[in-house]
Amino acid sequence: SQQGEEDPQALSIQEGENATMNCSYKTSINNLQWYRQNSGRGLVHLILIRSNEREKHSGRLRVTLDTSKKSSSLLITASRAADTASYFCATAVNTGNQFYFGTGTSLTVIP
Amino acid sequence: DGGITQSPKYLFRKEGQNVTLSCEQNLNHDAMYWYRQDPGQGLRLIYYSQIVNDFQKGDIAEGYSVSREKKESFPLTVTSAQKNPTAFYLCASSSRGGGSGNTIYFGEGSWLTVV
Repeated sequence: SQQGEEDPQALSIQEGENATMNCSYKTSINNLQWYRQNSGRGLVHLILIRSNEREKHSGRLRVTLDTSKKSSSLLITASRAADTASYFCATAVNTGNQFYFGTGTSLTVIP
Repeated sequence: DGGITQSPKYLFRKEGQNVTLSCEQNLNHDAMYWYRQDPGQGLRLIYYSQIVNDFQKGDIAEGYSVSREKKESFPLTVTSAQKNPTAFYLCASSSRGGGSGNTIYFGEGSWLTVV
């Protein structure tokens, strides 16, 4: 399966700290995306990074991609209690028909 | 508002019953997807459809069926052959497949419980 894996599975930090989560995947990809899921809700798109990009920023989010290691990281700076959620990476392979989701990182930001 | 609507939000199924989860989108997207999510787990693909009247099995299609008679609708039937159907079901859509750099939009999900 192409399904990726996020690391760590769970992360608990204090408000104002930075949160870093990692995603590893198995095969060559066209792009990698990060999504957020609040408990019991659907997923919401955060950011997309293409296979020819190494780093991308969006507000307090910073994503890196290392295709040689088949890994990506998501950094959330100056975290807030409202950032508490599960975060998933999703990859799209070259055939382009499917999105493959990782197992998710559960982030808790303590006020 | 544009988006994806799933219904019902909560559904209870008796053993041996078939149930159908509704998914409607008004985003004019070609591709639609059904995922299953078990508590504390990631998303597993059940079925996906790239175009009307066509769909493909995902990783865990056994015990499920779908139809795509209209562009905006992609209902999922959980049949009695699905032995462990209790889960959170997510419908999603995208303008085209993931390899084209498109993002995927999700509905709010449906909780199915077997009683």
